[in-house]
Amino acid sequence: EPEVTQTPSHQVTQMGQEVILRCVPISNHLYFYWYRQILGQKVEFLVSFYNNEISEKSEIFDDQFSVERPDGSNFTLKIRSTKLEDSAMYFCASSLVNEQFFGPGTRLTVL
Amino acid sequence: EDQVTQSPEALRLQEGESSSLNCSYTVSGLRGLFWYRQDPGKGPEFLFTLYSAGEEKEKERLKATLTKKESFLHITAPKPEDSATYLCARGFGNEKLTFGTGTRLTIIP
Repeated sequence: EPEVTQTPSHQVTQMGQEVILRCVPISNHLYFYWYRQILGQKVEFLVSFYNNEISEKSEIFDDQFSVERPDGSNFTLKIRSTKLEDSAMYFCASSLVNEQFFGPGTRLTVL
Repeated sequence: EDQVTQSPEALRLQEGESSSLNCSYTVSGLRGLFWYRQDPGKGPEFLFTLYSAGEEKEKERLKATLTKKESFLHITAPKPEDSATYLCARGFGNEKLTFGTGTRLTIIP
């Protein structure tokens, strides 16, 4: 069964460093998303991406964040200068029609 | 903006003891109601989508139902492997999902 994959599973970084989180969505899906979940809190929407451009973004998704689909299979989230409060699980999701399918997540720890 | 509320926050059941989880929301209308299962340290796993009041969907021991203002996830004769956090979310088309805080379900053998 096709699934969304994410790498790395765990990323540790120093405050102020740049990180890139990678995702491979399900191959025939057209819509791509990033969500995050701070420990013990709800899953929060960050950004959606369709037809090679951002279709919607949340207040959290400020100038420090960017997304890219560099080729036909990968979808990346870049955080330019990480802050302590960026520590969270980051989930990539993809959809074809309505149902969004999530990857296993990347745990980002900012020290 | 839609607010999604789930109750209870946590539920402990004996194996075989049936119960229901609740998800309520503030914005009615043409939005999908999604149920996901989340295991610790993992991503949400899609279970069901409901769109219309009166709609029901089933999968193994789980049945999801929808009214105009809320959804229920009924779990019948649960087993320990059903232990997880159950999330509900609302969304329109391929737009963002708005999640509730989840119900942490523990099934005791």
